[in-house]
Amino acid sequence: GEDVEQSLFLSVREGDSSVINCTYTDSSSTYLYWYKQEPGAGLQLLTYIFSNMDMKQDQRLTVLLNKKDKHLSLRIADTQTGDSAIYFCAETPRNRDDKIIFGKGTRLHILP
Amino acid sequence: GAGVSQSPSNKVTEKGKDVELRCDPISGHTALYWYRQSLGQGLEFLIYFQGNSAPDKSGLPSDRFSAERTGGSVSTLTIQRTQQEDSAVYLCAKSGGALSGELFFGEGSRLTVL
Repeated sequence: GEDVEQSLFLSVREGDSSVINCTYTDSSSTYLYWYKQEPGAGLQLLTYIFSNMDMKQDQRLTVLLNKKDKHLSLRIADTQTGDSAIYFCAETPRNRDDKIIFGKGTRLHILP
Repeated sequence: GAGVSQSPSNKVTEKGKDVELRCDPISGHTALYWYRQSLGQGLEFLIYFQGNSAPDKSGLPSDRFSAERTGGSVSTLTIQRTQQEDSAVYLCAKSGGALSGELFFGEGSRLTVL
């Protein structure tokens, strides 16, 4: 069945790197996404990766995809207090009419 | 945000009452989703509308929950005989981005059941 798993909480010291992990089950997914939710707001698309890529870098963000293990990760370098949010992993199936599957979200807490 | 309006933003109700939550996707979209978010459970899928197809209701937690989308646009989520465990933020999202998985979310309706 379709499922996206991620841990619910992560604490990181300011200035360190944060790594948020996700596993998924649908090997036919064409895209995988990371969404960010700041306090009191809805989710917003943060970054994405095509399923035929292994890595994508965007400033402080690095997305790694291991298709064999169906494992996706988001690395945030030099974590800042403004990175404190909930991060959601999501996958889209090959059929555009099928619904997008989200993980439950990982709450990133920044320690001083 | 980004063309999705939800109302009310906050709703406090008494246990046993019915509530209606509204989502207006405002501009072009093909798919509309409802999610529930709570601290202990994270984000939970509730229902999915896609075009003229029958909605995917597989995430509705009980028969007290129902949703409809009128004219392929505005959607209403109804919770009958509310229980305290229904307290959560209810989020609505629409499709419409360049990518198939890009959704635009509203800011949510926070429901508190006393």
